[in-house]
Amino acid sequence: QQQVKQSPQSLIVQKGGISIINCAYENTAFDYFPWYQQFPGKGPALLIAIRPDVSEKKEGRFTISFNKSAKQFSLHIMDSQPGDSATYFCAAPLTRGSTLGRLYFGRGTQLTVWP
Amino acid sequence: EAGVAQSPRYKIIEKRQSVAFWCNPISGHATLYWYQQILGQGPKLLIQFQNNGVVDDSQLPKDRFSAERLKGVDSTLKIQPAKLEDSAVYLCASSLGFGDDEGFFGSGTQLSVL
Repeated sequence: QQQVKQSPQSLIVQKGGISIINCAYENTAFDYFPWYQQFPGKGPALLIAIRPDVSEKKEGRFTISFNKSAKQFSLHIMDSQPGDSATYFCAAPLTRGSTLGRLYFGRGTQLTVWP
Repeated sequence: EAGVAQSPRYKIIEKRQSVAFWCNPISGHATLYWYQQILGQGPKLLIQFQNNGVVDDSQLPKDRFSAERLKGVDSTLKIQPAKLEDSAVYLCASSLGFGDDEGFFGSGTQLSVL
């Protein structure tokens, strides 16, 4: 079964700082790596996703960096805000394709941004 | 557009009792998923429906868990009998059901088994 290792487990960042969350995967030739954001009492929501034909994807303050040779991808949150405080999950597909049912989720990173 | 609706939000039961969760997906979404999220972990797929047919239930503990999606719209997940280790948030999600479509999660039902 696909393994996805996420770190750190928790992260505390000051407002305006950069938050970096890392994810490592094993033995996959497949092509979709999303990050999900989950607020307390809510379900996860797709934040940003990348395919390995590019090394970086940016959407506003959120950037995914992808290193295919190292089998790693990371989420960078620039100018972190208190409203970004949430749990973030990386995911990778169990089989080819990006539909939700094929994704194996990491254990999550709890981000706290202090004002 | 209304999101994925789930009820109840919270449920507390004693072990060996039964419990049922209900989910109404986003209108027009053919694919429906049930996930189990244990505290401190990511969601784990229990079962996936395409319309009213099961696509994947390989991780569903079938000796105690069951799910149905009659008429291909809303769905019910049941646990009978519950064990302490079933304490978790049960999330329902839905998607259009074709291509690389995005799924949308409901807010979940938090189950505590005492």
